[in-house]
Amino acid sequence: AQSVSQHNHHVILSEAASLELGCNYSYGGTVNLFWYVQYPGQHLQLLLKYFSGDPLVKGIKGFEAEFIKSKFSFNLRKPSVQWSDTAEYFCAVNAYTGFQKLVFGTGTRLLVSP
Amino acid sequence: DAGVTQSPTHLIKTRGQQVTLRCSPKSGHDTVSWYQQALGQGPQFIFQYYEEEERQRGNFPDRFSGHQFPNYSSELNVNALLLGDSALYLCASSSGRALAKNIQYFGAGTRLSVL
Repeated sequence: AQSVSQHNHHVILSEAASLELGCNYSYGGTVNLFWYVQYPGQHLQLLLKYFSGDPLVKGIKGFEAEFIKSKFSFNLRKPSVQWSDTAEYFCAVNAYTGFQKLVFGTGTRLLVSP
Repeated sequence: DAGVTQSPTHLIKTRGQQVTLRCSPKSGHDTVSWYQQALGQGPQFIFQYYEEEERQRGNFPDRFSGHQFPNYSSELNVNALLLGDSALYLCASSSGRALAKNIQYFGAGTRLSVL
């Protein structure tokens, strides 16, 4: 069975600080990887995705993530956060050739202080 | 272009009652997935409907059932409600083609409180 671990449940940063959110997954086969974001009062939105190819993927709003297959990791990064990045971030995985069932981590709440 | 819409936004029920939640997928999408998000947790997959049939199911009891209509909209039904069913229920839509690589678009959810 697939599982996803997000190590940081709450993160507090000042504006302009760098961000890295950890995500590790457990699955015996090839996977697709996603980061979703939920801004306060809004629905879940896709931030970025990895299917294959270049392990460094870029998403919206300056976010990027790196897939390290040997570490089963897909960490999210942003060089300089803004107050508007305050949100909850979810890492998710599904089997590469399976149906679309997404397995989510428990999420990381990010608070960026101005 | 309307996104994924869910109704109602909030619902309060008592233990033992039954509830029906509704979802209209994003235009052009034919696949609907339902997720349960308990407080402080990530969404958990309940089931997925494609071509009016349940295509895949997560680890949820038979009290959770669903339906998909010819216009691709979907309903989630929960019978014999328990306190533990209190959660945010999310609907996600996608295209059935290309399977796992299709992006799921989420609605705002229905907040269910069971008293």
